Amino acid sequence: AQSVTQPDIHITVSEGASLELRCNYSYGATPYLFWYVQSPGQGLQLLLKYFSGDTLVQGIKGFEAEFKRSQSSFNLRKPSVHWSDAAEYFCAVVPSSNFNKFYFGSGTKLNVKP
Amino acid sequence: EAQVTQNPRYLITVTGKKLTVTCSQNMNHEYMSWYRQDPGLGLRQIYYSMNVEVTDKGDVPEGYKVSRKEKRNFPLILESPSPNQTSLYFCAVSRQSYNEQFFGPGTRLTVL
Repeated sequence: AQSVTQPDIHITVSEGASLELRCNYSYGATPYLFWYVQSPGQGLQLLLKYFSGDTLVQGIKGFEAEFKRSQSSFNLRKPSVHWSDAAEYFCAVVPSSNFNKFYFGSGTKLNVKP
Repeated sequence: EAQVTQNPRYLITVTGKKLTVTCSQNMNHEYMSWYRQDPGLGLRQIYYSMNVEVTDKGDVPEGYKVSRKEKRNFPLILESPSPNQTSLYFCAVSRQSYNEQFFGPGTRLTVL
């Protein structure tokens, strides 16, 4: 079945530590890939997206993500986490079979320890 | 200022009482979409619209209706709400479907 999987429901990291959030998808041919962030009580904001080309994508707020075709993964990374990064992060996919449909993962909630 | 607005922001209603959640945008974008967000399930697409008078089902359309009579508005209609439609609803807008989506502030709906 087609799916977007974020295996980590909650992650806690210390401020200043590095971060990696995992995302795997199963949609056949390379889809369009996105990472969104949702701060408490807010809507979602785009962090970065991958359509084609360079597999390492830079986004806002110091985030980056790497597309690995062989692993069907699009993991989000940040070298040094700030307390303001505490939020919920969603991976999303637009499959190449239907550009009108968005599929979101179940989200990873990030806590940042001082 | 570019905006996506939703009304109401909060709504408590009873089973079977028809309701409409409005979504309006001033960004002149073609694509609009409705999602529901439930704990542990992320966001699931209910309906989307590629342009005026063009709508299609997302992943979870049962119990919902939409219309797109004009470019800026995309209301979500619950003809006979049920408790399993209690959720947080988001409207989103983008230039084209696969572009960055801009989300509204959300509508928290409780159906008793």
